[in-house]
Amino acid sequence: GNSVTQMEGPVTLSEEAFLTINCTYTATGYPSLFWYVQYPGEGLQLLLKATKADDKGSNKGFEATYRKETTSFHLEKGSVQVSDSAVYFCASTGGTSYGKLTFGQGTILTVHP
Amino acid sequence: DTAVSQTPKYLVTQMGNDKSIKCEQNLGHDTMYWYKQDSKKFLKIMFSYNNKELIINETVPNRFSPKSPDKAHLNLHINSLELGDSAVYFCASSGTSGASSSYNEQFFGPGTRLTVL
Repeated sequence: GNSVTQMEGPVTLSEEAFLTINCTYTATGYPSLFWYVQYPGEGLQLLLKATKADDKGSNKGFEATYRKETTSFHLEKGSVQVSDSAVYFCASTGGTSYGKLTFGQGTILTVHP
Repeated sequence: DTAVSQTPKYLVTQMGNDKSIKCEQNLGHDTMYWYKQDSKKFLKIMFSYNNKELIINETVPNRFSPKSPDKAHLNLHINSLELGDSAVYFCASSGTSGASSSYNEQFFGPGTRLTVL
């Protein structure tokens, strides 16, 4: 079955620092890959996605590239803000899983002024 | 005009009780899901329905029974609640069924925090 492994958290950064959250996956077929963000007290929101190898998803200054050769989908942002403090989830679907999302364990990000 | 809504937002109850959580989406989607998020933030799918038909049923105790009266609603009924059922339950929906739904974004509700005492 599919699995997703994320970098252990929590991650604490100062404003304007560079962010990387690592994510690797195992899957049968050709999964689509997603990053979701959960702000305190809220549900999950899609941050970005990529549906095939070498695709780059980007949104709100965040980027992630679908790397089939390393089975990775690392999340990056060049300059984080306090408002980026949230829990970030990497997720994948598989070609035969009817939209079932398999989530990584989540990474808590705290950005200090 | 909330896209995916859940009620109640908070639910506190005693062990052994039976409770329901309701979910509604106004996005016109035909696939809906229930996820459980534990105290360590780990998210796991429980069920998925497509056009009122169950298509994903993960290893979930049969005390949990989803019910989909129509495409826009997916309710979760829990019998004989246990302490370990305490969690946040998220409903989600997506646009199409089958393998192509792999590409489609899932829209999540705000969650229902269930506390079993």
